Amino acid sequence: DAGVTQSPTHLIKTRGQQVTLRCSPKSGHDTVSWYQQALGQGPQFIFQYYEEEERQRGNFPDRFSGHQFPNYSSELNVNALLLGDSALYLCASSLVGADEQFFGPGTRLTVL
Amino acid sequence: QKEVEQDPGPLSVPEGAIVSLNCTYSNSAFQYFMWYRQYSRKGPELLMYTYSSGNKEDGRFTAQVDKSSKYISLFIRDSQPSDSATYLCAMGVDSNYQLIWGAGTKLIIKP
Repeated sequence: DAGVTQSPTHLIKTRGQQVTLRCSPKSGHDTVSWYQQALGQGPQFIFQYYEEEERQRGNFPDRFSGHQFPNYSSELNVNALLLGDSALYLCASSLVGADEQFFGPGTRLTVL
Repeated sequence: QKEVEQDPGPLSVPEGAIVSLNCTYSNSAFQYFMWYRQYSRKGPELLMYTYSSGNKEDGRFTAQVDKSSKYISLFIRDSQPSDSATYLCAMGVDSNYQLIWGAGTKLIIKP
């Protein structure tokens, strides 16, 4: 049983560009959450998707948007990249109503 | 003031020692408390979670929650070099909504 998978593993972009990160949840999970983890910090919640709808959102600007597909996979899009967007982006999946979230290995984004 | 405070360390202890990791929080609405372990360049891995005050034990790990003091702890017995990692506390009002995280404590177990 594959766990949470994310692609790509690493990504280098320049300021002003746009990026799309992808996540496939653990088999049987229907809820996907995205987090940003800056170096030396804990993850910060970006948003959560359930039934293809954004269910809750953290304190991130509208440059951060997402999508969930009918197969529960998800994308995170970031527009107009800033140097400060450089971070590890983590995807976590869960079953709605369950206590545990399972994390993927993350995508490391570097903005130059 | 951050909602969740955690000493970043590093905390260095000899193999076999008992390790104590701690977090304090300010939001009394938090009901769910979790400890994650994160190895370098990996995603966090859930170690333990609890939603009540008191102790919860799982093998070498014990999670302790004191809601009156807004203080949680993770104890690791018989620590091993493989326990060397960053330990993050996370908590939330509802377990399936956003978690608020500590910054993580880097733990080093010396052989």
